[in-house]
Formats: sequence, structure tokens, C-alpha cells
Amino acid sequence: QSALTQPPSASGSPGQSVTISCTGTSSDVGRYNYVAWYQQHPGKAPKLMIYEVSRRPSGVPDRFSGSKSGNTASLTVSGLQAEDEADYYCSSYAGSNNFDVFGTGTKVTVL
Amino acid sequence: QVQLRQSGPGLVKPSQTLSLTCAISGDSVSSSSVTWNWIRQSPSRGLEWLGRTYLRSKWYNDYAVSVKSRITINPDTSKNQFSLQLDSVTPEDTAVYYCATSGNYNYWAFDIWGQGTMVTVSS
Repeated sequence: QSALTQPPSASGSPGQSVTISCTGTSSDVGRYNYVAWYQQHPGKAPKLMIYEVSRRPSGVPDRFSGSKSGNTASLTVSGLQAEDEADYYCSSYAGSNNFDVFGTGTKVTVL
Repeated sequence: QVQLRQSGPGLVKPSQTLSLTCAISGDSVSSSSVTWNWIRQSPSRGLEWLGRTYLRSKWYNDYAVSVKSRITINPDTSKNQFSLQLDSVTPEDTAVYYCATSGNYNYWAFDIWGQGTMVTVSS
């Protein structure tokens, strides 16, 4: 099972928005709504930011939003803040043989 | 508040077995509404889900195809923890290993993570 494809980097100025794509296939992102997004700061464990494509766990700011179209999911961070600078990973359920697959990761820089 | 605390050696010799433990506080390994997972992260392989154990009517395990022949994940109800064993390791198994739980939202959203253990495979 191949990793989901994300752009290596993205950036924006404080207050702006940045959108990260996550491209899979019809066997994972395109088939299931179990897409999640994680934020990871250096030296820390990933933190769940979005689940089921667009739902936010309690405590996650509404500046973070998710969507999906076909085989591509997206994470948008609006009103960028300095603390949003981190690596972001998507993941998707891929069925009962391959289970779960992660994305390649995107480094978000706040300029 | 569920917390996961990992323990285990940071250095393993090639061909030997990697063993890690994840101690659970704030929940029970025997909970029938969550799953207990191992995930690793390396520069070459990125984030990789390895497998899980969970209790429903009985104990179940699911493993990633990439490690299925070498991996065992076991619950330990007496100590409220679960473990990872990865046999016949090679330098490619060098990674940060995380335990994580899912189930509060769905079984594929990992919402609680351990602190991570850097494991190096080297002689």
C-alpha cells in the first residue's frame, strides 16, 4: 500500500490561509470517509486535528477545516498563527486488508 | 484523561526482537470501545501503522501487511498495558515507535498517543 501524496511544504503569513492536499486512490481516500489529519511539532507525537474528513475533535480550533473531493482530501488552516508551524499528515482507512495509510507529510511554515 | 506511557530499549541488534510496552492510565486495555495500536515513524518510511489489538467478544489483532510475518501485539490485562514484539529486525526497522489509541471518534482516528520511543537497530 503506497503512502498518500502530500506536497512537501506550504507557507503563509500570519492571518492568511493555507491549504494542504492529500491525494490517494479509489481504494482509500476515494472510497472511505475515514480521512484524518494530524499536526506534529518537532520532537512531539502527532496530534489529531480532523477526523472523518471534516470533523474536529474537542479542543481543536475552528480555524482548522477539512474537505474531500474524489481521491483528494484537503486541510485548510485559516487565520494562520505562529503555533500552527508544524508538520501535517493525512491518513485514510484503506480497507480490511491494508487498514490504514498515512500521507507523506507537509511542513507548514508561518512566514 | 487517558494517558499512554511507553517503555523499552532504544537499541536492538540486527536479527533480534524489538520489544516495547505501552502502559495505560485512565482507561482499561479490556475496554470494548477502543483499539490499541502501534505506529512507527522514520525518515525513509514516514508514518506507518503497524497493527492493533482490541477486545470485543474476544481478543482480536490486525497487522500491516509489511510486518505481518514478524509482529505480535499482546494485551496484558493484569498490568493494564499492551506490548509490541517485532522479530528479526534489520536497520530498516530503525524508527520512532508510538503506541496510540482510537475509538473515541472512530477506529481510524488516533486521538491519544504515547511519548514515542526511538529504537535504533545496530550492532
